[in-house]
Amino acid sequence: AQTVTQSQPEMSVQEAETVTLSCTYDTSENNYYLFWYKQPPSRQMILVIRQEAYKQQNATENRFSVNFQKAAKSFSLKISDSQLGDTAMYFCAFMKRNTGNQFYFGTGTSLTVIP
Amino acid sequence: EAQVTQNPRYLITVTGKKLTVTCSQNMNHEYMSWYRQDPGLGLRQIYYSMNVEVTDKGDVPEGYKVSRKEKRNFPLILESPSPNQTSLYFCASSSPQGAGGYTFGSGTRLTVV
Repeated sequence: AQTVTQSQPEMSVQEAETVTLSCTYDTSENNYYLFWYKQPPSRQMILVIRQEAYKQQNATENRFSVNFQKAAKSFSLKISDSQLGDTAMYFCAFMKRNTGNQFYFGTGTSLTVIP
Repeated sequence: EAQVTQNPRYLITVTGKKLTVTCSQNMNHEYMSWYRQDPGLGLRQIYYSMNVEVTDKGDVPEGYKVSRKEKRNFPLILESPSPNQTSLYFCASSSPQGAGGYTFGSGTRLTVV
């Protein structure tokens, strides 16, 4: 079974600073994707960034980037120049391909950006 | 606009009264799935469907039913709701390749009293 672990239930960061959210996962699969989703108070699940397991290059989307360490099964999210709108719950997710595209989510990290 | 539409957004019901949460997607996605979100547990998969008339259990299927008679619709049915099914529910869809991840509906907050 796949498991996804987010060991930081809550974090805070000063506005304009950088913060890193950690995520580890356990799998024997080779064909998978990793994602970070943001859930603001509106509760909508918003895709932040995704990483394909077979790509070594770390994904980047504007102020969001990941540090993907496949051997260590680690997938951390770095948010640069934090903004108040980044305040949300962040979920790390593992998706096993070709079997219903089943997602496995971590328990989430609640991030608060302090003005 | 590409989207997954879930209804209702909020629902309060009594124990044992059958209910259906609807889900519809306009992206012609083959894969659809239902999740429940509970504090401290993240999101857990209830059921998923890989295509019309093809459904399978996820990690927490007890007490739920689904159907996939049309590609765009994937309703979640609670035949006899119980208080432990009080939760936030999400429907999601994706293409078979899955590279784009899931597109989620806006969620249904269900309370069973």
